[in-house]
Amino acid sequence: QLQLLESGPGLVKPSVTLSLTCTVSGDSISTGNYFWGWIRQPPGKGLEWIGSIHYSGTTYYNPSLKSRVTISVDTSKNQFSLKLSSVTAADTSVFYCARQPVEVVTPDVFDIWGQGTMVTVSS
Amino acid sequence: DIQMTQSPSTLSASVGDRVTITCRASQSISTWLAWYQQKPGKAPKLLIYKASSLESGVPSRFSGSGSGTEFTLTIRSLQPDDFATYYCQQYDNYWTFGQGTKVEIK
Repeated sequence: QLQLLESGPGLVKPSVTLSLTCTVSGDSISTGNYFWGWIRQPPGKGLEWIGSIHYSGTTYYNPSLKSRVTISVDTSKNQFSLKLSSVTAADTSVFYCARQPVEVVTPDVFDIWGQGTMVTVSS
Repeated sequence: DIQMTQSPSTLSASVGDRVTITCRASQSISTWLAWYQQKPGKAPKLLIYKASSLESGVPSRFSGSGSGTEFTLTIRSLQPDDFATYYCQQYDNYWTFGQGTKVEIK
């Protein structure tokens, strides 16, 4: 069945760019019927959508993070990636990747999630 | 942007209880509302989409209702596996989550 797995450094220094990758297995990321999203959750807090991408390159970004976020897709590796620049301690979170079915033309809910990866921003 | 407000923040209940969680949107979102369950250390799990549609494999004791700005998640008879945190999420305009409701053992 479909599985998503996040990977990346668990510790990054303030002001650098955080980079994470989500590897999709069990189906092709290029099916066209899905977007692929990133969501984060600071320790003990709620969920925040970061952004989503379609294999065609269409992206949606959270307006509050848009200036710092880049999401890209690599169909040859069946992966999509997140870059978050100029990180601070406030960006310390568990980062999840997730699948979003397409509703007509726009992404829908998050129906399948990765297990999440904890990233701490600290010097 | 659309704000989602859940109540209560914490709910104490016993096995067998009927539990209701409310979610309010800052503006009308039609029925573009989902509910998720999250257990400690785990990813959220989709329970309900389009306000009242049950995701495949989710027990029928879970149900959702509402439209516009007010929505509810009901657990008909709380089971031990249901103690968790529940989040609503709108997907009418981008994607935003409520702050969560923790269902704990009374």
